[in-house]
Amino acid sequence: DVKVTQSSRYLVKRTGEKVFLECVQDMDHENMFWYRQDPGLGLRLIYFSYDVKMKEKGDIPEGYSVSREKKERFSLILESASTNQTSMYLCASSLPTGHGYTFGSGTRLTVV
Amino acid sequence: QKEVEQDPGPLSVPEGAIVSLNCTYSNSAFQYFMWYRQYSRKGPELLMYTYSSGNKEDGRFTAQVDKSSKYISLFIRDSQPSDSATYLCAMSATNAGKSTFGDGTTLTVKP
Repeated sequence: DVKVTQSSRYLVKRTGEKVFLECVQDMDHENMFWYRQDPGLGLRLIYFSYDVKMKEKGDIPEGYSVSREKKERFSLILESASTNQTSMYLCASSLPTGHGYTFGSGTRLTVV
Repeated sequence: QKEVEQDPGPLSVPEGAIVSLNCTYSNSAFQYFMWYRQYSRKGPELLMYTYSSGNKEDGRFTAQVDKSSKYISLFIRDSQPSDSATYLCAMSATNAGKSTFGDGTTLTVKP
């Protein structure tokens, strides 16, 4: 069964900490995405990548960075966590076919 | 104004009902249209995808796209309690492009 695996289901971090969210896919997909999902705001795109070592800003990149050193792994970094970054973080991957994404199960991050 | 607007719900129907879920959009460049289902505390899972205008059927699910009206729909026939979830529409301009999502409609199917 093809999968997108996010390293943690639940995380609690302190304000100011550097936070790493890891995502690995086993489908040899070129495209990878990071979204956050908040009640009333839907899914908002943070960063995406179409290839190794390549990254593009999404709609809300402030306070985040990403790393894609290998095709299968796309990491989201919160440089200095803040309480307004408390959210559900969803990683997704896709082929360049327009056939939609495969999502991970999500990481629910709480920043205290 | 959001690029993608989705009927907010929540929607509650009896088992066996036909359900209609709808989204409108403003960006005429969108060509690829997707529907996802998301169960509580899970990631979204892809239900259906379509390209351009027309209908696509998969079992009890039918996706419709009307590009002239910038309107897409997902119909669920013979709804089941297991269909209770949040449904998200999504669309993109290119086959490799990022998707823009609606906010979701929460559906409850009562036995």
